[in-house]
Formats: sequence, structure tokens, C-alpha cells
Amino acid sequence: KAGVTQTPRYLIKTRGQQVTLSCSPISGHRSVSWYQQTPGQGLQFLFEYFSETQRNKGNFPGRFSGRQFSNSRSEMNVSTLELGDSALYLCASSLELAGEETQYFGPGTRLLVL
Amino acid sequence: QKEVEQNSGPLSVPEGAIASLNCTYSDRGSQSFFWYRQYSGKSPELIMFIYSNGDKEDGRFTAQLNKASQYVSLLIRDSQPSDSATYLCVTYSSASKIIFGSGTRLSIRP
Repeated sequence: KAGVTQTPRYLIKTRGQQVTLSCSPISGHRSVSWYQQTPGQGLQFLFEYFSETQRNKGNFPGRFSGRQFSNSRSEMNVSTLELGDSALYLCASSLELAGEETQYFGPGTRLLVL
Repeated sequence: QKEVEQNSGPLSVPEGAIASLNCTYSDRGSQSFFWYRQYSGKSPELIMFIYSNGDKEDGRFTAQLNKASQYVSLLIRDSQPSDSATYLCVTYSSASKIIFGSGTRLSIRP
């Protein structure tokens, strides 16, 4: 079974631009979560989607948004990029049959904002 | 107080010895606990999960959970250089929000 895939793997943008990242979960997984990881802040939870609905949200500004499609694929969007948005963005999926389950991480998208 | 606390390390352990990684959590309602390993530049991968008090063993890894003390640990026996990584302690709050610790950097010296 294929793992979680994320595209693109690397991205360079400039301040003020916007970016869309994509995540395809493991087949059959219904929950997709997004995280931002920086050396200084560690792994920070952005949001979680389940059945096309945002179920949980972290403490990030409204510039960060996401959505989930009917096939469970998810996208996250960051508008008006700032230098501090440079980070590794990780997507994770889980089966969600019984609540608190193992999350399987994708390889991440490394975003550099210049 | 952080919801999940880990010593950031680095924790340096000689090859072949036992590495002991510790984690405390603040929400008494947390029920499930996960240990992830993350190599530099890579994404986290699951090592073990534990739901019940006591020990759970899987190969060289043993997870220990003490809900009364709000403490969970990961022991790595016969440490290998390939075990050098950051280990993340993860749980869910009583409101089912996932919480990651900041991770402990483990270094196995030959």
C-alpha cells in the first residue's frame, strides 16, 4: 500500500506570495492533519480534516487554510507569505476507526520564503 | 507548564547500552501515547504506542506508562548508531487534540 504523498517536495517563494501544498493520504485513511516544523518551534499542529470537514485547528493565523476533498486528498494554502513561514510542512493521515490512532507522515514539503 | 514535556537533550549513550527517554504529560485524561522517531531532514515514523499502564515490549524497544505519575518512557536496549535521532512523545488530550512533545535528541556514540 502506498504511503502518504506530498507535493511539491521543495518550494521557494517570495514574501507576499501565496502557496498551495497537496497531500494524498494512505488509501482508506479518512483523516488528514497538517503540521509545521521549524528548528526553533518543533512540530506545530495546523489543522485536521475528516470527511471534508475541519475537525481541529491549531493556533495559526487565518493566512493558513486548508480543505479536504471527497477522495480524502487535502490541500493547505498559505497566503501573503512571510519569512517566518519557511518551514517543513508535514501531512499525516490516519484511519480513524476508533479515535486516537497512529498517524502516518508524508515526506513533507520544504518551503523557503525569501 | 507544557502539555507534554521532554528533555531536549542531546542524550549521549554508548553503543550497546540502554537509552532511556522520558516524557511527562499534564492532562490526566490522556489515554493513548505514541513514540515517533525522526531522523534529521526526514518525517516522523512510529516506533511504538501504548494505552495501558505497565510495559510494552517490541524487539529492542520497551514503552513504559504510569498514568498515576503521568509519565511515559521509551527504553532502547543494545543501542545502535542507527538509533541516533530525535524521539517525539505524542499523546491526545482529553478533548482529543493531538499533542507533540518537542522531542529528545539521542546520540549513540561508537
